[in-house]
Order: sequence, then structure tokens, then C-alpha cells
Amino acid sequence: EAGVAQSPRYKIIEKRQSVAFWCNPISGHATLYWYQQILGQGPKLLIQFQNNGVVDDSQLPKDRFSAERLKGVDSTLKIQPAKLEDSAVYLCASSTQVFSGNTIYFGEGSWLTVV
Amino acid sequence: GEDVEQSLFLSVREGDSSVINCTYTDSSSTYLYWYKQEPGAGLQLLTYIFSNMDMKQDQRLTVLLNKKDKHLSLRIADTQTGDSAIYFCAESYRDDKIIFGKGTRLHILP
Repeated sequence: EAGVAQSPRYKIIEKRQSVAFWCNPISGHATLYWYQQILGQGPKLLIQFQNNGVVDDSQLPKDRFSAERLKGVDSTLKIQPAKLEDSAVYLCASSTQVFSGNTIYFGEGSWLTVV
Repeated sequence: GEDVEQSLFLSVREGDSSVINCTYTDSSSTYLYWYKQEPGAGLQLLTYIFSNMDMKQDQRLTVLLNKKDKHLSLRIADTQTGDSAIYFCAESYRDDKIIFGKGTRLHILP
């Protein structure tokens, strides 16, 4: 079974530039999450989708971050304009519609450095 | 609100047992998790426990849950150099959201 795919793996941009990350969840997984992991901290949930609808985006900085999952499969997370404090790993995860303890899977992450 | 706390560092001699502790605040958590993260890698689910259990054993891993004190621990028996990583405690909140602690960096001494 293919895992959660993310790209790009690494990105370096200057502050005020924009960046987009792409995630392809495991086939058939209805729920998709984007987490932000700043160095030395645990992952923080940014946004959760159920199919193509947003379930929770309460911690998404909406002035600069946006995310979409138009067809209920792939998702993109965009940052525009980027700030230095956005340097982090952006983790995508997916889960089956019926959530259970072992049904959430994480991708390898997209590492962003803002200089 | 929900919060997960764990100590930041632990050093253990190779061959000894490692015990990583965690406390959480949400008494309605359904599942509690331990994830492992090696340098440059994503999160690997090590084990999880359903909230109505108090212990789960899986090979070298033992998870203990004290629901009354909202305390979770992970014991790694016969710690090896390959166990060196950051270990995240996490709880599922409202069933399908996972809240993570800051992680405990496990350092193995020769």
C-alpha cells in the first residue's frame, strides 16, 4: 500500500516569497490533515479536511496560509507571503473516515526554510 | 484546552530500560499514542492504547495508562542504539484530532 506522498521534500525561500506544498493521501482516506512542526516542538494541527470540506482550521493563520482539497483527494497548502517564523516541517496525514487508533498515517514532511 | 506535557530529554545506557512519561489534560481522549521520529524522517506510529485499557505490551514496548492521574508512560526494554530518536506522546481529541506533546529526545549512552 502506498503511503502519504508529499512534495517538495525541501524548500528554501526568502521572506515575503510564496510557497506551495502538495499532499497525496492514501487511496480511499477521507480525512486529510496538515500539521506544522517547528524545530524542537511537537506537530501542531493547521487544518483538517473531511473529503473536500474543512472540518477545523482554527489554528491556520489565514492572513498568509491557505489550503484546499478541491476534489476530496490531493491537497495543497500555500504560504504567501512567508515569514521567518514559518520555517518548519509541514506534515500531511490522512485517515479513514471511521477513525480508529491506527488509521492515521503521516507523510515524510516538507521541510521549509525561510531566509 | 487540551494539552500534552512530557520531559524534553532522557539519557539511558544501552541495554537498560527507558521510561518516557507524559501527562495529558483531556479526560475524554479516546486513544493515546506514542510516535517515534528519527532525524530527517516523518512520524512513525510506535504504539497506541485505547483509553479503557491500562496496559499494552508489544515486544520491547510496554505502555501504561493511569486514567485517574492522566499519565501515560512508554517503557522500552533492552534499549538499543537504534532507539535513539524523539518520542512524541499524543492524544486523540474529539476522536479524530491528534494533539502532540513537544517530544522527548532519547539519547543512548554506550
